[in-house]
Amino acid sequence: QVQLQESGPGLVKPSQTLSLTCTVSGGSISSGSYYWSWIRQPAGKGLEWIGRIYTSGSTNYNPSLKSRVTISVDTSKNQFSLKLSSVTAADTAVYYCAREDIVVVPAGRHEAFDIWGQGTMVTVSS
Amino acid sequence: VIWMTQSPSLLSASTGDRVTISCRMSQGISSYLAWYQQKPGKAPELLIYAASTLQSGVPSRFSGSGSGTDFTLTISCLQSEDFATYYCQQYYSFPRTFGQGTKVEIK
Repeated sequence: QVQLQESGPGLVKPSQTLSLTCTVSGGSISSGSYYWSWIRQPAGKGLEWIGRIYTSGSTNYNPSLKSRVTISVDTSKNQFSLKLSSVTAADTAVYYCAREDIVVVPAGRHEAFDIWGQGTMVTVSS
Repeated sequence: VIWMTQSPSLLSASTGDRVTISCRMSQGISSYLAWYQQKPGKAPELLIYAASTLQSGVPSRFSGSGSGTDFTLTISCLQSEDFATYYCQQYYSFPRTFGQGTKVEIK
């Protein structure tokens, strides 16, 4: 059974770069038709999609964060990573990594987040 | 950007009740919609995708309907473990967006 686990610093100083890694266990990150995504949630608020990567390296980013975000994948380590630069207090949130499954049916191509990591809290503060 | 409006934001209900949560899109998205359940301190869990397809392992008391701009999540007989926050999410276009959430609390 595939599981995801986020790791990285829980405290980042303003203006610095937030770096998180998601380790995939129980299966290969390269197998199947999946995108690998990052999603965040400020305390007491809703969910915000940050972006995703396919194992080919193809990425999609949220335009609201695109200038500051880089998502990369390391298939040899079965990991994918998030870098968010020039952080401010507004970037304080629980960060989740998630697998986006692709289901193709005659009526269309459906992509939903079927497996999530437990989430990691990142606080931006000096 | 596709904006999503969930209603109600808070729903008070009792065990055994039938509850309905609405999600309205700012533009049509065909059936490219998913529903998630989130409990406090936990990651969201996928309930439904393609607007009405139940994810494997999800109880049949959960159902989804709708197409275009108006969607509904129904819990036919609320159980104690269903008290949680529910989010809709569209994957018709980028960026992926979520509704603001509906908290289902015990009446």
